[in-house]
Amino acid sequence: EIVLTQSPGTLSLSPGERATLSCRASESVSNYLAWYQQKPGRAPRLLIYDASTRATGVPARFSGSGSGTVFTLTISTLEAEDFAVYYCQQRSDWPGTFGGGTKVEIK
Amino acid sequence: EVQLLESGGGLVRPGGSLRLSCTTSGFMFSNYAMGWIRQAPGKGLEWVSPISGSGRSTYYPDSVKGRFTISRDNSKNTLYLQMNSLRVEDTAVYFCARYSRTLDGLDYWGQGTLVSVSS
Repeated sequence: EIVLTQSPGTLSLSPGERATLSCRASESVSNYLAWYQQKPGRAPRLLIYDASTRATGVPARFSGSGSGTVFTLTISTLEAEDFAVYYCQQRSDWPGTFGGGTKVEIK
Repeated sequence: EVQLLESGGGLVRPGGSLRLSCTTSGFMFSNYAMGWIRQAPGKGLEWVSPISGSGRSTYYPDSVKGRFTISRDNSKNTLYLQMNSLRVEDTAVYFCARYSRTLDGLDYWGQGTLVSVSS
């Protein structure tokens, strides 16, 4: 089973700052990586697929990069609605595994 | 509009059973793989089971293998999860989700249903 490790566990930032979230895979997943956003009491929302492609309706301030085993989700300028938990998921194997999540909280 | 609506959650004693349903609308159900993902209180996301569009392919992690069964009725646009021999550690919100081959991701999710296993 491919293990995804997300870091940091919690990111404390202020609105307007840049957020950089990391997801590292235990073996190569090529570019078969997605990012999800989850707000309290809500279902996750697909943000990024194929490592770098934004899903429909996702603002341009969200960007994904990486391939192989190292991936990054960047939020260029944090808005109030971006404070949430973010999960990566690999789809190199079926059905894929989730990372443990990174919480982006207001500093 | 794509909609997924889970039902069937509740409080059950250890060793008990529950059947979850996910009623869908707004898309060609049989064309999509579907799945159940759960989230224990304060924890991350965990795959429970996916199922192919035809229903012929399924997968179970060791944590639920032999106890849970995923199925679907394409004539009713509904996904099911039969959960037997429930354990305290199965307590979680259970989400159903649609898998998009185009996006290679889970593009639509239900709101979740809470399963609590406690004596």
